Amino acid sequence: QKEVEQDPGPLSVPEGAIVSLNCTYSNSAFQYFMWYRQYSRKGPELLMYTYSSGNKEDGRFTAQVDKSSKYISLFIRDSQPSDSATYLCAMTGSVLSGNTPLVFGKGTRLSVIA
Amino acid sequence: SAVISQKPSRDICQRGTSLTIQCQVDSQVTMMFWYRQQPGQSLTLIATANQGSEATYESGFVIDKFPISRPNLTFSTLTVSNMSPEDSSIYLCSVEGRGGTSTDTQYFGPGTRLTVL
Repeated sequence: QKEVEQDPGPLSVPEGAIVSLNCTYSNSAFQYFMWYRQYSRKGPELLMYTYSSGNKEDGRFTAQVDKSSKYISLFIRDSQPSDSATYLCAMTGSVLSGNTPLVFGKGTRLSVIA
Repeated sequence: SAVISQKPSRDICQRGTSLTIQCQVDSQVTMMFWYRQQPGQSLTLIATANQGSEATYESGFVIDKFPISRPNLTFSTLTVSNMSPEDSSIYLCSVEGRGGTSTDTQYFGPGTRLTVL
């Protein structure tokens, strides 16, 4: 079983739709969870950063972490064509165990159709 | 967030040759990271480069194939040596976030798209 599973899509939605992107993971030591957005031919840019369980909201974006289920989500409200990109989840362990590498999902390719 | 640039942005190389990729950051950072992003695959960490010490390589990556330099706190290079078509990939450098650890956040450069014929 891979450490991080993410459905690669592609996912195609109409403009204005609510988008739900998800990752599951197997390592219970993960405590830091991130979502990156990567436009075509660009490097990943950090969208959301969450520590441990709970929700975090930033504008149209909401990140959720459910550590009991080892499941994280990114919701995009009122999706726009400019949201069309690949979304990568990433996670890593406790800082108490030293610097541990980020582990990435494969990314979900999202297209928002005008 | 840090502003990161990479050179070259893309290259097409012949089998058996080597390519050095440069990464420049607009602020001093302790930790720099080199990743590989192959089509349909996860971003995979190649190595961590701290200034003043040898790079630390992840399982499956060796110094002879991917030598790294880190001469100062704003610059690093990754060389892909004796290339084969399997090395065709996007190579990305990244730097640590605000807290100074990789567990905080990481910021990425635009990537170098390498094609080996």
